[in-house]
Amino acid sequence: DGGITQSPKYLFRKEGQNVTLSCEQNLNHDAMYWYRQDPGQGLRLIYYSQIVNDFQKGDIAEGYSVSREKKESFPLTVTSAQKNPTAFYLCASRSRDRDNEQFFGPGTRLTVL
Amino acid sequence: AQSVTQPDIHITVSEGASLELRCNYSYGATPYLFWYVQSPGQGLQLLLKYFSGDTLVQGIKGFEAEFKRSQSSFNLRKPSVHWSDAAEYFCAVGGGSQGNLIFGKGTKLSVKP
Repeated sequence: DGGITQSPKYLFRKEGQNVTLSCEQNLNHDAMYWYRQDPGQGLRLIYYSQIVNDFQKGDIAEGYSVSREKKESFPLTVTSAQKNPTAFYLCASRSRDRDNEQFFGPGTRLTVL
Repeated sequence: AQSVTQPDIHITVSEGASLELRCNYSYGATPYLFWYVQSPGQGLQLLLKYFSGDTLVQGIKGFEAEFKRSQSSFNLRKPSVHWSDAAEYFCAVGGGSQGNLIFGKGTKLSVKP
């Protein structure tokens, strides 16, 4: 079955550490997205990528970094510069043939100890 | 500025009662409109979408939504709510070649037995 996988589901980090969240899709989608979700805040866009080896900052990119070396993969690194990283992180992808419909992964909950 | 407003943070309805979740948007061009549902700790699932044509759209799980351009609204409805509908619902608007979506802050639905 095609879909989006995110790993790990739960992640704990000590302050000052960088951590990388994985996002993989086998939908053959060109575009991929990372969102941060906090209670009562909806989804806020961190980074997005329309094609391999290219990505753009979203609304809250500070303290985060991404790479897009393969079409299937779009990992997100939460750096020590992110002041309040505890949140639920969602990855999504989109096909150019499906207009703006985005498909979501199951999410990763990051907790800073 | 582009935005989505979901005026109701939390709604409680009795099982079997009808449901309407409100969504208002501000968007400069012809909008693509979406409703997503999220169960606790899970990713988002698409309920329905509107791009053009008939302003009343049918979705999965018995949901429907009506696009009203004059009111900049895209309200979600269901004639009879089931206990399994308890979740958080997000309205989103998007358009353009980048395919980015703007999400509302969500409405949490509780269902009374």
